[in-house]
Amino acid sequence: EVQLVQSGAEVKKPGESLKISCKGSGYSFTSYWIGWVRQMPGKGLEWMGIIYPGDSDTRYSPSFQGQVTISADKSISTAYLQWSSLKASDTAMYYCARPRDGYNDYWGQGTLVTVSS
Amino acid sequence: EIVLTQSPGTLSLSPGERATLSCRASQSVSSSYLAWYQQKPGQAPRLLIYGASSRATGIPDRFSGSGSGTDFTLTISRLEPEDFAVYYCQQYGSSPYSFGQGTKLEIK
Repeated sequence: EVQLVQSGAEVKKPGESLKISCKGSGYSFTSYWIGWVRQMPGKGLEWMGIIYPGDSDTRYSPSFQGQVTISADKSISTAYLQWSSLKASDTAMYYCARPRDGYNDYWGQGTLVTVSS
Repeated sequence: EIVLTQSPGTLSLSPGERATLSCRASQSVSSSYLAWYQQKPGQAPRLLIYGASSRATGIPDRFSGSGSGTDFTLTISRLEPEDFAVYYCQQYGSSPYSFGQGTKLEIK
């Protein structure tokens, strides 16, 4: 059974750094892209970017390029989304998802990130 | 970047009725690389349709997708109580793989 299990909710202050994770299981982690989607409170879905764990090829949406870093550690089948300096506007639910030919067939449960002073 | 516009923003219908949701792209979506997702409150999105018209595994046949180029439609033939949710389209023919803003399907 394919599963994507994300790390738990985070509460951070503006300016702090953060790295959240998404562990894949039940499939060959290095053979599929894995991506991140943002959902701000009460809003829609926003595609952030994807990474291919097999060779670490990474693509970002222009809206998120330079704002976050997507990485993966194939030895532990885990993808990451990180910020070097959080802003209040980063408060959102973040989902990881597995793109199959581009569409997301499996999703993680979501990680709620709250940034508040 | 392809912009997807969904309409209507909110659709109010009763169980048993037919729902028609629209997704219009700012430029042609290559190879009909268009997906539809359903999201219920407090849950992650769920894949319904990919390739514009192929149902995902386990999706009831009351859900159907159609369209090509710039105009796509999700149809729910007879609404069940569990179908009231928010629906998103996504194009994956051209990076960034953008989403529409969503259509909320609510009980009338």
